[in-house]
Amino acid sequence: EIVMTQSPATLSVSPGERATLSCRASQSVSSNLAWYQQKPGQAPRLLIYDVSNRAAGIPARFSGSGSGTEFTLTISSLQSEDFAVYYCHQYNNWPLFGPGTKVDIK
Amino acid sequence: QLQLQESGPGLVKPSETLSLTCTVSGGSINSINFFWGWIRQPPGKGLEWIGSLYFSGSTYYNPSLKSRATIFVDTSKNQFSLKLSSVTAADTAVYYCARQGRDGYHFKYFDLWGRGTLVTVSS
Repeated sequence: EIVMTQSPATLSVSPGERATLSCRASQSVSSNLAWYQQKPGQAPRLLIYDVSNRAAGIPARFSGSGSGTEFTLTISSLQSEDFAVYYCHQYNNWPLFGPGTKVDIK
Repeated sequence: QLQLQESGPGLVKPSETLSLTCTVSGGSINSINFFWGWIRQPPGKGLEWIGSLYFSGSTYYNPSLKSRATIFVDTSKNQFSLKLSSVTAADTAVYYCARQGRDGYHFKYFDLWGRGTLVTVSS
């Protein structure tokens, strides 16, 4: 059974700074990895799919990288609207989400 | 533009069956390119996939919920539904329906989500 972990649990960042979020799978998920953003009271929104492809309408400041078991979501210059919780999701077999990383204002 | 909307009771008694429906508008549920899924999120917690369905009726479930969850489709109404039996307080959550990409028999990511509906299990 695959286990997904995300680190850190909370990331405090100042607006304009870079944020780097990590997602780790206990076994290889190949390139079957997505990232979602969720704001309070809202549904998750797809940001990145297949490790590094931005979904429609997602700004270029969001980028994804990695392969196998180690993945990274980078937000190059945090805007006020980016403070949210971010989840990774592996779909190499049945869907499984990571526990999330909360990005809050430093 | 395709939209999804969950509907159903917001309060269910313990041991009873939770029933929710997702209505798809602005597009057809009869697409070979997608699965249709249910995901839930307990208050203040993370996301849990419940199960997914293909318009032909094929279903796939989270092993941890398989014995209690049933997902089925009504293509004439462009809807799919979830039933979760023998609920307890641990089933209290926001329930989302979502469109999920499909690559043959392989799951992909969830690209469109409903707004979610809170279901509370309480007597």
